[in-house]
Amino acid sequence: DTEVTQTPKHLVMGMTNKKSLKCEQHMGHRAMYWYKQKAKKPPELMFVYSYEKLSINESVPSRFSPECPNSSLLNLHLHALQPEDSALYLCASSQELGHTIYFGEGSWLTVV
Amino acid sequence: AQSVTQLDSQVPVFEEAPVELRCNYSSSVSVYLFWYVQYPNQGLQLLLKYLSGSTLVKGINGFEAEFNKSQTSFHLRKPSVHISDTAEYFCAVSEGGATNKLIFGTGTLLAVQP
Repeated sequence: DTEVTQTPKHLVMGMTNKKSLKCEQHMGHRAMYWYKQKAKKPPELMFVYSYEKLSINESVPSRFSPECPNSSLLNLHLHALQPEDSALYLCASSQELGHTIYFGEGSWLTVV
Repeated sequence: AQSVTQLDSQVPVFEEAPVELRCNYSSSVSVYLFWYVQYPNQGLQLLLKYLSGSTLVKGINGFEAEFNKSQTSFHLRKPSVHISDTAEYFCAVSEGGATNKLIFGTGTLLAVQP
């Protein structure tokens, strides 16, 4: 069982809505990640946080806004999304950068 | 730059038969290698990993993989598959360090038939 918990499991939002995806881990990991996965494709890295500081932004559009309130929590704020942003959003964590990455179950996002 | 190649997009196999899922990588430096499994409508679960040491790595659910540096391969094997092994399998490579980016292959769908 994954120890990375994501909520909600499913989210449907309109293009003018503001919503957030939440991720929590209690493994004491200091690195956390957001990945995006489209159907039948591998996950693509979006953001990396290390010790609560943004370490990598893979040129993600500003309509996606990450936040790391503390070492256990990672949020992804969504605003003015497009239908093509519909995907599975995976949160992950690792003990430190350079260590094995563990994934959550994902949040299925549909933009209508 | 690193890359990962999974040549087989789909591997059909009968229940209780052996299976091998192929993975080749390219990198100019030492790498860490991983296999993740994704069951339908779920997240990714770590199957096994090679960081260093013994080149034969055993993972969960009876899977194993062998790191072959000369052939730059990390093929996944299971001697006898079950229906429940039907899933997408992703091979991934990482150089570790400050970026710790996981580079994924395109995935192989293992379809176990009764």
